[in-house]
Amino acid sequence: EVVLTQSPGTLSLSPGERVTLSCRASQSMSSTYLAWYQQRPGQAPRLLIYGGSSRAAGIPDRFSGSGSETDFTLTISRLDPEDFAVYYCQQYGRSPLTFGGGTTVEI
Amino acid sequence: EVQLVESGGGLVQPGGSLRLSCAASGFTFRTYWMSWVRQAPGKGLEWVANIKEDGSDKYYVDSVKGRFTISRDNAKNSLYLLMNSLRAEDTAVYYCAREVRLGAARPFDYWGQGTLLTVSS
Repeated sequence: EVVLTQSPGTLSLSPGERVTLSCRASQSMSSTYLAWYQQRPGQAPRLLIYGGSSRAAGIPDRFSGSGSETDFTLTISRLDPEDFAVYYCQQYGRSPLTFGGGTTVEI
Repeated sequence: EVQLVESGGGLVQPGGSLRLSCAASGFTFRTYWMSWVRQAPGKGLEWVANIKEDGSDKYYVDSVKGRFTISRDNAKNSLYLLMNSLRAEDTAVYYCAREVRLGAARPFDYWGQGTLLTVSS
C-alpha cells in the first residue's frame, strides 16, 4: 500500500499569501497518478489537480502542482478567502487507492 | 449536468447490513469506473471500493473485504454498496465518485454529496 503523508497538518495564513503543501509517498510513484482535492466544510471534495500538475476544468491558475518520485507539492500563489479549506493528495496508480491525511489551511 | 445522488444511509446496529445507492445522471454512466469513498466524522478521506465500467472488475480496501460488495446496474445508471457485518468503525459519510480517464490518469472528477451511515447500538 502506498502511504501518503501530508504536512503540515494545519497552516494559519492570511488572504494574499503564498502557500505550499507537501505530500510524501512511502514509495516512488509516477506523478501521472497523483491528484489533489479541496474540501470545504460541509461539502464534497473537489478535484483540483491530476497527473501531478494538470489543473482540472474550471480551477483557477493560482493553483499549481509539481513533484516527482516521492515528493509532491500543491502551491496556491495568492490565497483567496474561498481557498481556506482542507486539501488532500491521492494516488490512484496502485490498489488500494489512498489519500493523504489532509492539510487544513485556515485564516 | 453531471449529478451523483447517494441514498440509503441511516442508523444500523453493529453486525447489521445496509445497501447504499448512488443515482447517476448527466453522463454516459456505463463508460466510467465508479468508486465509493468514505469519511468518518472529523476525519480524512478513505477509498472503499471501485468497479469497472461493465462490472467485471472490483477492488476493495482491506478493511472491508469480505463484508462489502460494490455493484452497478448500467441500465438504471446506478451504483450500489452492500455492507454486511457492520462495525462502529464503518460510521462515516459515504460518497460515490466518478473516475475520469484523462490520459493514463484516472482521478475522481465528480462526487455526490454523501450519505451518512451510523453504526451504533
